[in-house]
Amino acid sequence: GAGVSQSPSNKVTEKGKDVELRCDPISGHTALYWYRQRLGQGLEFLIYFQGNSAPDKSGLPSDRFSAERTGESVSTLTIQRTQQEDSAVYLCASSLVLQEAQYFGPGTRLLVL
Amino acid sequence: AQTVTQSQPEMSVQEAETVTLSCTYDTSESDYYLFWYKQPPSRQMILVIRQEAYKQQNATENRFSVNFQKAAKSFSLKISDSQLGDAAMYFCAYRENYGGSQGNLIFGKGTKLSVKP
Repeated sequence: GAGVSQSPSNKVTEKGKDVELRCDPISGHTALYWYRQRLGQGLEFLIYFQGNSAPDKSGLPSDRFSAERTGESVSTLTIQRTQQEDSAVYLCASSLVLQEAQYFGPGTRLLVL
Repeated sequence: AQTVTQSQPEMSVQEAETVTLSCTYDTSESDYYLFWYKQPPSRQMILVIRQEAYKQQNATENRFSVNFQKAAKSFSLKISDSQLGDAAMYFCAYRENYGGSQGNLIFGKGTKLSVKP
């Protein structure tokens, strides 16, 4: 079946602009996760959703970052007033339930000029 | 806080030979999962193998196997009969089984594996 999809694949924006990144999880997966990967680094956890609720927002780097999920499906990660240090690949993953293995999307590469 | 350490930034192996990638982790929990993910240049993270901490038997998936040493908090990945397609970044990851942090994977910084023909 279809895997996790993310859009856009690449995004170039100017410092100070807002961006929205989208994630479509595998159909039927109740848990959804967002990670950030800076160049040459491992993945940094941002937030996860169990259904439509986000029990743990501690990984969000600042209040400029927010995420929502509707209908236990699509999730959007929003970064307001982007800064150059926000440049990274943003990866989304989903799992059938919280305790199951996570399957990743191809990521969105964000470049803030 | 839990941490995952991969001490080998880069490794190289000859095609058809065997290579072992190292991973150590730090946790005070007893019930958790460990994973190895592969990330080729396409940047798609691919699950290679997983291990439940309460299982003593080492996990195996075809040419990939792990050496899980719970007391030593070590979780190495062995790739047998290496193929050119195995060339990628390999990330070790940890996840708790219970509690508020069970949703997030904690990753090491990765090991870049090159395969020589």
